[in-house]
Amino acid sequence: QITLKESGPTLVKPTQTLTLTCTFSGFSLSTSGVGVGWIRQPPGKALEWLALIYWNDDKRYSPSLKSRLTITKDTSKNQVVLTMTNMDPVDTATYYCAHTQFGWYFDYWGQGTLVTVSS
Amino acid sequence: QSVLTQPPSVSAAPGQKVTISCSGSSSNIGNNYVSWYQQLPGTAPKLLIYDNNKRPSGIPDRFSGSKSGTSATLGITGLQTGDEADYYCGTWDSSLSDLWVFGGGTKLTVL
Repeated sequence: QITLKESGPTLVKPTQTLTLTCTFSGFSLSTSGVGVGWIRQPPGKALEWLALIYWNDDKRYSPSLKSRLTITKDTSKNQVVLTMTNMDPVDTATYYCAHTQFGWYFDYWGQGTLVTVSS
Repeated sequence: QSVLTQPPSVSAAPGQKVTISCSGSSSNIGNNYVSWYQQLPGTAPKLLIYDNNKRPSGIPDRFSGSKSGTSATLGITGLQTGDEADYYCGTWDSSLSDLWVFGGGTKLTVL
Protein backbone atom coordinates (compact mmCIF):
# COMPACT_ATOMS: atom_id res chain seq x y z
CA GLN A 1 0.00 0.00 0.00
CA ILE A 2 1.49 3.30 -1.14
CA THR A 3 1.08 6.32 1.12
CA LEU A 4 2.61 9.78 1.12
CA LYS A 5 2.42 12.54 3.69
CA GLU A 6 3.59 16.13 3.51
CA SER A 7 5.01 17.98 6.48
CA GLY A 8 6.39 21.42 7.11
CA PRO A 9 5.47 24.83 8.49
CA THR A 10 1.91 26.05 8.17
CA LEU A 11 2.94 29.70 8.28
CA VAL A 12 5.96 31.41 6.76
CA LYS A 13 6.84 35.08 6.47
CA PRO A 14 7.45 36.83 3.16
CA THR A 15 11.04 36.44 1.87
CA GLN A 16 11.59 33.34 4.00
CA THR A 17 12.50 29.93 2.61
CA LEU A 18 9.92 27.14 2.75
CA THR A 19 11.07 23.57 3.34
CA LEU A 20 8.55 20.76 2.86
CA THR A 21 9.14 17.09 3.41
CA CYS A 22 7.27 14.25 1.74
CA THR A 23 7.55 11.02 3.71
CA PHE A 24 6.34 7.95 1.87
CA SER A 25 5.91 4.22 2.27
CA GLY A 26 5.00 1.29 0.05
CA PHE A 27 7.59 2.00 -2.64
CA SER A 28 11.28 2.76 -3.03
CA LEU A 29 12.76 5.76 -4.81
CA SER A 30 15.60 3.54 -5.92
CA THR A 31 13.27 1.46 -8.11
CA SER A 32 13.60 2.12 -11.83
CA GLY A 33 10.91 4.45 -13.16
CA VAL A 34 9.67 5.71 -9.81
CA GLY A 35 9.36 9.42 -9.14
CA VAL A 36 7.85 11.85 -6.65
CA GLY A 37 6.38 15.16 -7.68
CA TRP A 38 5.20 18.29 -5.90
CA ILE A 39 2.00 20.04 -6.91
CA ARG A 40 0.35 23.03 -5.25
CA GLN A 41 -3.12 24.53 -5.25
CA PRO A 42 -3.89 28.09 -4.10
CA PRO A 43 -7.23 28.38 -2.31
CA GLY A 44 -10.06 28.09 -4.82
CA LYS A 45 -7.68 27.76 -7.77
CA ALA A 46 -6.29 25.08 -10.07
CA LEU A 47 -3.48 22.61 -9.57
CA GLU A 48 0.02 23.77 -10.44
CA TRP A 49 2.94 21.38 -10.92
CA LEU A 50 6.16 22.45 -9.23
CA ALA A 51 8.87 19.80 -9.46
CA LEU A 52 9.62 16.12 -9.94
CA ILE A 53 12.52 13.89 -8.94
CA TYR A 54 13.16 10.41 -10.35
CA TRP A 55 14.79 7.28 -8.99
CA ASN A 56 18.00 8.13 -10.89
CA ASP A 57 18.12 11.65 -9.36
CA ASP A 58 16.95 13.26 -12.59
CA LYS A 59 15.06 16.42 -11.66
CA ARG A 60 12.48 18.56 -13.44
CA TYR A 61 11.23 21.97 -12.41
CA SER A 62 8.44 24.30 -13.43
CA PRO A 63 10.22 26.87 -15.63
CA SER A 64 8.36 29.75 -13.99
CA LEU A 65 9.59 28.76 -10.52
CA LYS A 66 12.85 27.01 -11.33
CA SER A 67 15.07 29.71 -9.84
CA ARG A 68 13.33 29.35 -6.46
CA LEU A 69 12.95 25.57 -6.21
CA THR A 70 15.20 22.72 -5.15
CA ILE A 71 14.06 19.10 -4.92
CA THR A 72 16.14 16.38 -3.27
CA LYS A 73 15.63 12.82 -2.12
CA ASP A 74 16.83 10.70 0.75
CA THR A 75 16.25 7.13 -0.36
CA SER A 76 17.27 5.64 2.98
CA LYS A 77 14.67 7.74 4.83
CA ASN A 78 11.97 7.42 2.13
CA GLN A 79 11.73 11.18 1.92
CA VAL A 80 11.66 13.88 -0.73
CA VAL A 81 12.34 17.47 0.26
CA LEU A 82 11.22 20.59 -1.63
CA THR A 83 12.63 23.99 -0.80
CA MET A 84 11.20 27.23 -2.16
CA THR A 85 13.04 30.46 -1.56
CA ASN A 86 11.79 34.03 -1.28
CA MET A 87 8.23 33.14 -0.34
CA ASP A 88 5.47 35.61 -1.18
CA PRO A 89 1.79 35.79 -0.16
CA VAL A 90 0.86 34.53 -3.66
CA ASP A 91 2.61 31.27 -2.74
CA THR A 92 -0.11 30.57 -0.18
CA ALA A 93 -1.46 27.18 -1.20
CA THR A 94 -2.00 23.57 -0.30
CA TYR A 95 1.14 21.68 -1.29
CA TYR A 96 0.83 18.04 -2.35
CA CYS A 97 3.41 15.38 -3.06
CA ALA A 98 2.52 12.50 -5.35
CA HIS A 99 3.97 9.22 -6.64
CA THR A 100 4.54 8.70 -10.34
CA GLN A 101 5.81 6.03 -12.70
CA PHE A 102 8.09 7.62 -15.30
CA GLY A 103 6.22 10.87 -14.81
CA TRP A 104 3.29 9.83 -16.99
CA TYR A 105 0.67 10.36 -14.29
CA PHE A 106 0.36 10.86 -10.54
CA ASP A 107 -1.32 7.80 -9.12
CA TYR A 108 -0.95 8.30 -5.37
CA TRP A 109 -1.24 11.63 -3.58
CA GLY A 110 -0.57 12.84 -0.09
CA GLN A 111 -3.29 14.59 1.87
CA GLY A 112 -1.67 17.97 1.28
CA THR A 113 -0.44 20.64 3.65
CA LEU A 114 -1.68 24.23 3.69
CA VAL A 115 1.08 26.80 3.76
CA THR A 116 0.15 30.42 4.43
CA VAL A 117 2.58 33.21 3.64
CA SER A 118 1.93 36.24 5.80
CA SER A 119 3.81 38.67 7.94
CA GLN B 1 -3.98 30.87 -17.49
CA SER B 2 -3.54 27.14 -18.07
CA VAL B 3 -1.88 25.61 -21.11
CA LEU B 4 -4.72 23.07 -21.18
CA THR B 5 -8.20 24.52 -21.59
CA GLN B 6 -11.18 23.05 -19.76
CA PRO B 7 -14.71 24.45 -19.38
CA PRO B 8 -15.06 26.07 -15.95
CA SER B 9 -18.23 24.17 -15.18
CA VAL B 10 -20.61 21.50 -16.43
CA SER B 11 -23.84 20.20 -14.98
CA ALA B 12 -26.29 17.38 -15.52
CA ALA B 13 -29.00 15.51 -13.69
CA PRO B 14 -28.49 12.29 -11.75
CA GLY B 15 -28.37 9.29 -14.04
CA GLN B 16 -27.39 11.36 -17.05
CA LYS B 17 -24.10 11.49 -18.93
CA VAL B 18 -21.62 14.35 -19.04
CA THR B 19 -18.40 15.00 -20.92
CA ILE B 20 -15.55 17.30 -19.96
CA SER B 21 -13.16 18.50 -22.63
CA CYS B 22 -9.47 19.32 -22.36
CA SER B 23 -7.92 21.20 -25.25
CA GLY B 24 -4.19 21.54 -25.79
CA SER B 25 -1.62 21.53 -28.56
CA SER B 26 0.88 19.33 -30.33
CA SER B 27 3.48 20.06 -27.64
CA ASN B 28 1.35 18.52 -24.91
CA ILE B 29 -1.80 16.46 -25.58
CA GLY B 30 -0.88 15.86 -29.22
CA ASN B 31 2.23 13.91 -28.31
CA ASN B 32 1.77 12.69 -24.76
CA TYR B 33 -0.58 10.59 -22.65
CA VAL B 34 -3.36 12.40 -20.81
CA SER B 35 -4.52 11.66 -17.29
CA TRP B 36 -7.60 12.85 -15.41
CA TYR B 37 -8.02 13.60 -11.72
CA GLN B 38 -11.08 13.95 -9.52
CA GLN B 39 -10.93 16.28 -6.54
CA LEU B 40 -13.82 15.99 -4.12
CA PRO B 41 -14.37 19.03 -1.89
CA GLY B 42 -11.66 19.36 0.74
CA THR B 43 -9.69 16.34 -0.42
CA ALA B 44 -6.58 15.58 -2.45
CA PRO B 45 -6.86 14.83 -6.16
CA LYS B 46 -7.41 11.21 -7.15
CA LEU B 47 -6.31 9.56 -10.37
CA LEU B 48 -9.33 8.65 -12.51
CA ILE B 49 -7.89 7.96 -15.95
CA TYR B 50 -4.32 7.44 -17.15
CA ASP B 51 -2.70 6.81 -20.53
CA ASN B 52 -5.66 8.56 -22.19
CA ASN B 53 -8.25 5.87 -21.52
CA LYS B 54 -7.18 3.44 -18.78
CA ARG B 55 -8.82 3.20 -15.39
CA PRO B 56 -6.88 2.40 -12.21
CA SER B 57 -8.13 -0.46 -10.12
CA GLY B 58 -11.24 0.53 -8.22
CA ILE B 59 -12.44 3.22 -10.62
CA PRO B 60 -15.87 2.26 -11.96
CA ASP B 61 -16.42 1.91 -15.69
CA ARG B 62 -18.83 4.84 -15.54
CA PHE B 63 -15.69 6.90 -16.03
CA SER B 64 -14.01 6.85 -19.44
CA GLY B 65 -11.34 8.79 -21.28
CA SER B 66 -10.51 9.40 -24.90
CA LYS B 67 -8.08 11.45 -26.93
CA SER B 68 -8.17 12.75 -30.47
CA GLY B 69 -5.44 14.94 -31.88
CA THR B 70 -4.77 17.75 -29.43
CA SER B 71 -7.91 17.26 -27.33
CA ALA B 72 -8.99 14.82 -24.66
CA THR B 73 -12.36 14.06 -23.16
CA LEU B 74 -13.52 12.64 -19.86
CA GLY B 75 -16.91 10.96 -19.89
CA ILE B 76 -19.04 10.12 -16.89
CA THR B 77 -22.23 8.09 -17.25
CA GLY B 78 -24.91 7.30 -14.69
CA LEU B 79 -24.17 10.49 -12.77
CA GLN B 80 -24.40 10.33 -9.00
CA THR B 81 -24.48 13.14 -6.48
CA GLY B 82 -21.18 11.81 -5.18
CA ASP B 83 -19.57 12.68 -8.51
CA GLU B 84 -19.84 16.39 -7.71
CA ALA B 85 -16.22 17.48 -7.74
CA ASP B 86 -13.56 19.36 -9.63
CA TYR B 87 -11.96 17.47 -12.52
CA TYR B 88 -8.50 18.17 -13.94
CA CYS B 89 -6.70 16.92 -17.01
CA GLY B 90 -2.93 16.74 -17.07
CA THR B 91 -0.02 15.82 -19.31
CA TRP B 92 3.58 16.70 -20.17
CA ASP B 93 4.36 19.73 -22.26
CA SER B 94 7.60 19.92 -24.21
CA SER B 95 7.21 23.26 -25.97
CA LEU B 96 10.26 25.04 -24.56
CA SER B 97 11.25 22.82 -21.68
CA ASP B 98 9.71 19.72 -20.21
CA LEU B 99 7.04 20.55 -17.70
CA TRP B 100 3.93 18.88 -16.38
CA VAL B 101 0.76 20.87 -17.02
CA PHE B 102 -2.74 20.71 -15.59
CA GLY B 103 -5.92 22.10 -17.03
CA GLY B 104 -7.74 24.87 -15.22
CA GLY B 105 -10.24 22.43 -13.78
CA THR B 106 -13.94 21.83 -14.36
CA LYS B 107 -16.54 21.96 -11.61
CA LEU B 108 -19.16 19.24 -12.09
CA THR B 109 -22.56 19.91 -10.57
CA VAL B 110 -25.08 17.09 -10.38
CA LEU B 111 -28.41 18.85 -10.29
